Amino acid sequence: DVKVTQSSRYLVKRTGEKVFLECVQDMDHENMFWYRQDPGLGLRLIYFSYDVKMKEKGDIPEGYSVSREKKERFSLILESASTNQTSMYLCASRPGLANEQYFGPGTRLTVT
Amino acid sequence: EDQVTQSPEALRLQEGESSSLNCSYTVSGLRGLFWYRQDPGKGPEFLFTLYSAGEEKEKERLKATLTKKESFLHITAPKPEDSATYLCAIRPLFGGATNKLIFGTGTLLAVQP
Repeated sequence: DVKVTQSSRYLVKRTGEKVFLECVQDMDHENMFWYRQDPGLGLRLIYFSYDVKMKEKGDIPEGYSVSREKKERFSLILESASTNQTSMYLCASRPGLANEQYFGPGTRLTVT
Repeated sequence: EDQVTQSPEALRLQEGESSSLNCSYTVSGLRGLFWYRQDPGKGPEFLFTLYSAGEEKEKERLKATLTKKESFLHITAPKPEDSATYLCAIRPLFGGATNKLIFGTGTLLAVQP
């Protein structure tokens, strides 16, 4: 079974704090993704990575950065958290030649 | 523009009452169409991939079908444990978007005993 884990299920941070969300997959997948999910807007892609140290912007990269130093780990960084970044954050991974993405359990982030 | 529209937004069924969820899409070329199930507060769980018009996939009470413009998720004799949000997504075949999935906003299904 594919397993994608995220470092926290729930997180509460203050405006201006630097926030790290971590994602780990155990299936040697080349591709990893970060989405945010908001009511009425669906899942929107923030960043993805197709290899170690490689990254590409998704649809809403503003205010976020990412890091992929090891194949199994993909981190999302909020440099200075703002209230409009309160959301559910979902990590996903996908093998190189496959189509299906497999999601982690999500991190519910609240910025106050 | 590549996009996905799901309907209805919400659906309430009685246990045993079969129905269908719709996913309409526009894309210049389709690499794949995906159905996911999402329970409250959890990540989406992969259900099916469909690749070409006419294809069908089944899993327990669920059957997914695909045409050139839409996909249906048929739920036969649903049970309360089928209650969830069902998400549809496409992966474009061409262009810069081919690495990502484009999601609809989902259908919230509630099955009452």
